[in-house]
Amino acid sequence: DADVTQTPRNRITKTGKRIMLECSQTKGHDRMYWYRQDPGLGLRLIYYSFDVKDINKGEISDGYSVSRQAQAKFSLSLESAIPNQTALYFCATSTGVVREQYFGPGTRLTVT
Amino acid sequence: DAKTTQPPSMDCAEGRAANLPCNHSTISGNEYVYWYRQIHSQGPQYIIHGLKNNETNEMASLIITEDRKSSTLILPHATLRDTAVYYCIVRSHMRETSGSRLTFGEGTQLTVNP
Repeated sequence: DADVTQTPRNRITKTGKRIMLECSQTKGHDRMYWYRQDPGLGLRLIYYSFDVKDINKGEISDGYSVSRQAQAKFSLSLESAIPNQTALYFCATSTGVVREQYFGPGTRLTVT
Repeated sequence: DAKTTQPPSMDCAEGRAANLPCNHSTISGNEYVYWYRQIHSQGPQYIIHGLKNNETNEMASLIITEDRKSSTLILPHATLRDTAVYYCIVRSHMRETSGSRLTFGEGTQLTVNP
């Protein structure tokens, strides 16, 4: 079984709809991240969390919110989706000791 | 974090060693060199990292020059499944307040040919 899972894997939604992307991990890591990837722009950090009570904005947090329900779960919400939020979204985890980040398989989101 | 420069693309024959270069001439003393790869539209995958000394793991070897201004990732026996975009990233372990953000540049598209 995968260590970092994301649901859904693909989603098409309409402008103005609320949508939630979920991430779960079995690695036991305390740190979790949400990134989006657009063609030609690389990965950009949306939000990150160092533990359940710690939530921080990344470089492009506007239009997004997150919830860290447990150490193993980190959800990303788009309160009112807009077309320029169409992208590939990745969740990642790491620890404070082992700095490398482990990524989920991604969620392809299309906002029409 | 220091800027990195990589060739946009490289080809390698299956079974041969793939040597991927990275320049990071502005690297500072506390910054590590990380390598990740991304197979088309999949999540990025950590490969290896190092500070000063050469490193080897089950996936690859990392050779860092003595002045630390450049490095080379070596895949000793490339397979078709190694076809991916390879990213060289330089980052400090001390900048935790920045969220440990990974800044991916353009990377190198490695194509392994049969």
